[in-house]
Amino acid sequence: AQTVTQSQPEMSVQEAETVTLSCTYDTSESDYYLFWYKQPPSRQMILVIRQEAYKQQNATENRFSVNFQKAAKSFSLKISDSQLGDAAMYFCAYETGNTPLVFGKGTRLSVIA
Amino acid sequence: SAVISQKPSRDICQRGTSLTIQCQVDSQVTMMFWYRQQPGQSLTLIATANQGSEATYESGFVIDKFPISRPNLTFSTLTVSNMSPEDSSIYLCSVGTGQLNGYTFGSGTRLTVV
Repeated sequence: AQTVTQSQPEMSVQEAETVTLSCTYDTSESDYYLFWYKQPPSRQMILVIRQEAYKQQNATENRFSVNFQKAAKSFSLKISDSQLGDAAMYFCAYETGNTPLVFGKGTRLSVIA
Repeated sequence: SAVISQKPSRDICQRGTSLTIQCQVDSQVTMMFWYRQQPGQSLTLIATANQGSEATYESGFVIDKFPISRPNLTFSTLTVSNMSPEDSSIYLCSVGTGQLNGYTFGSGTRLTVV
């Protein structure tokens, strides 16, 4: 079974600094998709960034970028120029085909002014 | 991507009663997913709801406790039956909108059982 592991229950970052959230996953599939979701206190799940496994180029979305290491099954999220609004729970998720998402346990990110 | 309207946003219920949560999608989707998020935890899949067939439940979840309806391609309900305080959680529905777009989630229902 596919599993997603987030080894950092909590992280903190100073405003305007950079932080990296870790995620590893286990799968025997060769074609799959990886996502980072943000869940602020409003509890709305917001898609931050996605990566197709067949693409070697790391995905970027403005201040958010990933470091995708397929051989190592690693998918970390880097947040640059952190803002107070980035404070939230961050979930790494995996999906293959039209199957439900498999989530990691999440990392709570605090941003210090 | 799809927009989901989920109701109610929150409720406080007496133990032993039932609550039905509704999700309305603004476009037709094949599969809808229902998740539970216990306090401080990640999302756990309850079931996958396909239109025109019985929902597929994950291990640890049963139809008698969490009956699901999927009458058409834009609507689904999840009922939490015979509630106990252990059912206090956030419940979320989700739809896939194509792998390049990820999955869209409803705004969640915060359920408190007293």
